[in-house]
Amino acid sequence: QQQVKQSPQSLIVQKGGISIINCAYENTAFDYFPWYQQFPGKGPALLIAIRPDVSEKKEGRFTISFNKSAKQFSLHIMDSQPGDSATYFCAPRGGTSYGKLTFGQGTILTVHP
Amino acid sequence: GAVVSQHPSRVICKSGTSVKIECRSLDFQATTMFWYRQFPKQSLMLMATSNEGSKATYEQGVEKDKFLINHASLTLSTLTVTSAHPEDSSFYICSARSAGGPQHFGDGTRLSIL
Repeated sequence: QQQVKQSPQSLIVQKGGISIINCAYENTAFDYFPWYQQFPGKGPALLIAIRPDVSEKKEGRFTISFNKSAKQFSLHIMDSQPGDSATYFCAPRGGTSYGKLTFGQGTILTVHP
Repeated sequence: GAVVSQHPSRVICKSGTSVKIECRSLDFQATTMFWYRQFPKQSLMLMATSNEGSKATYEQGVEKDKFLINHASLTLSTLTVTSAHPEDSSFYICSARSAGGPQHFGDGTRLSIL
């Protein structure tokens, strides 16, 4: 059972543009919705996360939008930079003990200068 | 911010060798540690979850006798790949979290079995 569906698989954006990555989930027990950023040869790093009691959270150029009724959340990267080129994963958590994350398939973002 | 150190970053060894990978939380007590495996251009696959002082819980399809996990202290977990074969070649990543906190990931270990 695929609990988390992430789209698109890859994304190419021009410098200064907006990058949008979406994540749809099935498990209504999820209660923590993070996005991770991974550079080649490195482990993922927590980028931004949201709890279901708010619909939007902004940290600098990064914004999470959360739609509980649609069971979707998205990552928006404003003013995208070449340094943002990386793989992004949504990885919601909840419903199980010990904080296990359920990773999406990943989105490879390329920002052209 | 929270730091998780993973060692070694890369290891190349012959088939049949056992390989140990260490994962340390440097500035917090990790009540739970996780071990993942990642193939090129794919997502992370959880292999097992370990809590300090307890036996690890393995995901379905992961051989517990092949991938030995020890979480002996609140700052250290180890993964030993026993009698490694070429099909075990992959990128292994650990993560750690304190109670109620987010997962913090190490930088991974590239394992290549010849």
